[in-house]
This record gives sequence, structure tokens and C-alpha cells, in this order.
Amino acid sequence: DAKTTQPPSMDCAEGRAANLPCNHSTISGNEYVYWYRQIHSQGPQYIIHGLKNNETNEMASLIITEDRKSSTLILPHATLRDTAVYYCIAAFTGNQFYFGTGTSLTVIP
Amino acid sequence: EPEVTQTPSHQVTQMGQEVILRCVPISNHLYFYWYRQILGQKVEFLVSFYNNEISEKSEIFDDQFSVERPDGSNFTLKIRSTKLEDSAMYFCASRAEENTIYFGEGSWLTVV
Repeated sequence: DAKTTQPPSMDCAEGRAANLPCNHSTISGNEYVYWYRQIHSQGPQYIIHGLKNNETNEMASLIITEDRKSSTLILPHATLRDTAVYYCIAAFTGNQFYFGTGTSLTVIP
Repeated sequence: EPEVTQTPSHQVTQMGQEVILRCVPISNHLYFYWYRQILGQKVEFLVSFYNNEISEKSEIFDDQFSVERPDGSNFTLKIRSTKLEDSAMYFCASRAEENTIYFGEGSWLTVV
């Protein structure tokens, strides 16, 4: 599975969009990009995933660059409950996930 | 929404004792996993299980650990002769044929 690189921490004002970047420059053509988050040692929570196209669901949007070497998770209107560690994972279908250190997002009132 | 459930939520055990952590995966899922997270560290993969056998395991998953699916609903992690360094949050996870893995809320194990 490709290695991913994320900034260790970010702040975002409540109500603003939170844009969390992820670099996966060695990703292969069949590896998906997944995003999970972990709120204070709870179980990792699935957010969204994609292969090539941008994706949107009720939680977030995922923007993947055309060369697939990086992506951005967008939380459109961050709330205090979005404070968590966000993990970007590149993995083949069916493989287990390897978690990095993620980005610790703090939403500020 | 279906979810992975784990019991116990917290267990304290004496060093050298055996513990069994239990999980009920989402009902139509076929792939099962255990991960652990030592306090302040990364979530680490331990083992994956499919079709009643281990499909992959990490270096952490040594002879001290075993997994079992004793019936159609439960998936267990057994740790024999626990050590202090086994203190961690243990997460069970499951997956259907599609590629999203869903995690339980974890079992916090404290070895004293």
C-alpha cells in the first residue's frame, strides 16, 4: 500500500470549511483513497473513499487530483464535534488498512 | 445503521492471565479484523480473518494471540499470558465484499 503524508495538526474556525490535505505520490492505479477519523480514542469512523473521481456524501467531499498523487478531504461547515484525528489511507480493494499518524483537526469556536 | 459491537468495553487483568475480547461483526460481512492502539500511538493492524482462517497477520500477532469465530456471529481475540505492554485499546472491524472497513468502539485492556 502506498505511503501517505499528512500535516500533523490543523485548526479550523467553527462554521468554516476544513480542508485536510493528503499526499500519496506513490499510489498505484488500483489503490483507493480512504478517509477515516478518530474522535478521542473511539473506533475509527469511516468518512469517504474514492478512486479517481471526486466524491461527496453527507459527511464530506473528497477531491482527488488528476494525477492521483494527492487528495483533499473537505468538511464543508466544521463543527466542534468534528474535532478529531483524520487519517488518509491508500489501499487496494480487500486489503487491510495501515494507519499513519493522521492530522489532528481542532475546530475552534 | 448496522455496527460492529465489542465486549467488554474495559477490562483490567493481572499480568500472566488470559483474556478474551469479543466482537460481533456486522451481520452480512465476511472479512474480520483486529487492530490495537497503545495509548498515544498509531492504530496498528494485528490480523485479518476470512473463510474461517487467518488471511494475514502482522509481526505483533505472535503465538500469544489467537482468533476464532466460534459460531456464526462472534469473532474473538484471545491473548494468552498477558504482559504489561499488551495494555491497549483493541478494535474489531469487519467488511463486506465492497472495500469499506467498519470499526467497533473498542475494548480497553489494562494489564496490571
